Order: sequence, then structure tokens, then C-alpha cells
Amino acid sequence: EVQLVQSGAEVKKPGESLKISCKGSGYSFTRYWIGWVRQMPGKGLEWMGIIYPGDSDTRYSPSFQGQVTISADKSISTTHLQWSSLKASDTAMYYCVRMGGYYYYYMDVWGKGTTVTVSS
Amino acid sequence: EIVMTQSPATLSVSPGERATLSCRASQSVSSNLAWYQQKPGQAPRLLIYGASTRATGIPARFSGSGSGTEFTLTISSLQSEDFVVYYCQQYNNWPPLYTFGQGTKLEIK
Repeated sequence: EVQLVQSGAEVKKPGESLKISCKGSGYSFTRYWIGWVRQMPGKGLEWMGIIYPGDSDTRYSPSFQGQVTISADKSISTTHLQWSSLKASDTAMYYCVRMGGYYYYYMDVWGKGTTVTVSS
Repeated sequence: EIVMTQSPATLSVSPGERATLSCRASQSVSSNLAWYQQKPGQAPRLLIYGASTRATGIPARFSGSGSGTEFTLTISSLQSEDFVVYYCQQYNNWPPLYTFGQGTKLEIK
């Protein structure tokens, strides 16, 4: 079974750093792009960026470029989303997604999400 | 950036009836359009990709149509578990600049 297992909920203070993870299993991890999607409380879905674990090629949404860093460790089939200095506005649910398709990619498998709460 | 507009924001339909949800793109996205369903407290799941292809395990009562800028998700014979939120998303860019619609909430009439 194809699965994306995300790390647990986080509660942080503004200014702190954070790295959350997403581990893929049940498929060839290095051959599919992995993306990240933000959902702020009570709001819709926003695409943040994608990474190809095979070579760590990474593409960001302009809205998130410079705000977060996406990385991958193919040796442990895991991708990461990290912040160097959190803000209260980063409070949200973050989903990792496997990108299906060829050249044009849709989000065919979703992780259960990681809740990030940033509060002083 | 391609703007995706879903209508209506909320749709009231009776169980057993048909629901028609719309999604419009600000410019052509060819058939690179996906629909997702999100139940309360859960991650979204893929329903439709390529505008009209059902994802694995999706019941036949879900169907998608359209191309270019106008798309429709139709749910025939609504079941109780279908009264949730639906998002469309275009993926017609490389380098990627994927965008979602704002969602349509399907509620029981």
C-alpha cells in the first residue's frame, strides 16, 4: 500500500525553527515528486512546493519561496519542510502529497497532515 | 498565476439527487484539472484527474467533464458521506505553479 506518514503535531513559539517530515512507503520513493500543501484554519488549500527525491530538484510557489525550505533524504525515503523563524501566521495544517502523472502532475496520495501551532 | 474560481461556494442538494459543481480557470489549463474531496478532520483525497478520469477506488457516481477553462464535477445520487467540501486544482504549468479553487461545500437540503 502506498503511504505517506507525516510527523506529529508541533507547538512552537514565534521565532523558533521547525522541521517536519513525511516518509513514503509502498512505492519507488525516488521516482515521484513529493509536494507540500498548506491549509490554514478554516481555509482552503495552497500549494507550497515540490521536490524530486531522486536528485533533490526543488520548485517553490512564489508565495512560499524564501519562507520555507523543502529537502529530501532518499536514504530514508523522507522529505522535510522546514522554517528558520516561525511566525504566528504559519499556524496551519501541512500535508505532504505524492505527485502522480507524467510532466503534468496531480496529487494522487496525501499524508494525514501535520498540525503546526505557533503561539507565544 | 492561473486563478481557479469554484461555484457556488455552498450547494444545497437532497440525498439521492444529483449535484453539479463548477470550476472555472482564468486561462486555459487544457485537461490538466483535478478534483479533491475533503471530509471534516481528514486530508483531501483525489477524486478526478485529467478532468474526467476517476482515481483508483472512486465510485462511479463521481464524474468529471470539461476542458480549457470550464469544468464540472457531477455527483449522481448523493450519499450521506458526499456532503463535504470539494476543491478543483489546475496543474497545467511547468515549472509548476499549481493553484486550487476556494472550494465548494455540499450541504444537505
